[in-house]
Amino acid sequence: SAVISQKPSRDICQRGTSLTIQCQVDSQVTMMFWYRQQPGQSLTLIATANQGSEATYESGFVIDKFPISRPNLTFSTLTVSNMSPEDSSIYLCSVPGTSGRMDTQYFGPGTRLTVL
Amino acid sequence: GQQLNQSPQSMFIQEGEDVSMNCTSSSIFNTWLWYKQDPGEGPVLLIALYKAGELTSNGRLTAQFGITRKDSFLNISASIPSDVGIYFCAGQLRTGGFKTIFGAGTRLFVKA
Repeated sequence: SAVISQKPSRDICQRGTSLTIQCQVDSQVTMMFWYRQQPGQSLTLIATANQGSEATYESGFVIDKFPISRPNLTFSTLTVSNMSPEDSSIYLCSVPGTSGRMDTQYFGPGTRLTVL
Repeated sequence: GQQLNQSPQSMFIQEGEDVSMNCTSSSIFNTWLWYKQDPGEGPVLLIALYKAGELTSNGRLTAQFGITRKDSFLNISASIPSDVGIYFCAGQLRTGGFKTIFGAGTRLFVKA
């Protein structure tokens, strides 16, 4: 399985500011996924980040609010812009399985964001 | 859109008891995945199922891919306190790329 790290692990931010979350994978992957997990809830896909192309956003999520970068095959960033308390969540980076096994999926440890 | 119904929502059991949880859907999935999430951590993949009828074990965990491809269950035998956490099922569809749908989770509490 892939080893995924995220920075920061947690942060407390003020309303109106922005936070950029980094995701690093120990192997090259075509797709990287960003999820949001609101308190006590399940996982919701924000967007899929492909290297060399624009990210694909799910319904309800827009690029202006959640800009994503994917500069290479092992790294991605998600920015949460103009934050409000409703953005308080765990943000998770995820990648497909390696060894050609596209239909498994692994998660990073998450970034716990609290917006005051 | 596709939805997964995961049950039960929560379980309070005694150490040593067996546990069963399941996910059902009106949609057919190509793959079923089961995850465990500990507090403050990301979900960890427990078992992946790729074929209808497949029964797979991982230690005290056993999961099955329903024959209709619309459901899956996870059993935990002889529960221990470290089994505490949230268990998520996820169904995957291959539609061009692939899409993963997550259940709402089952919160497991184990009393020593």
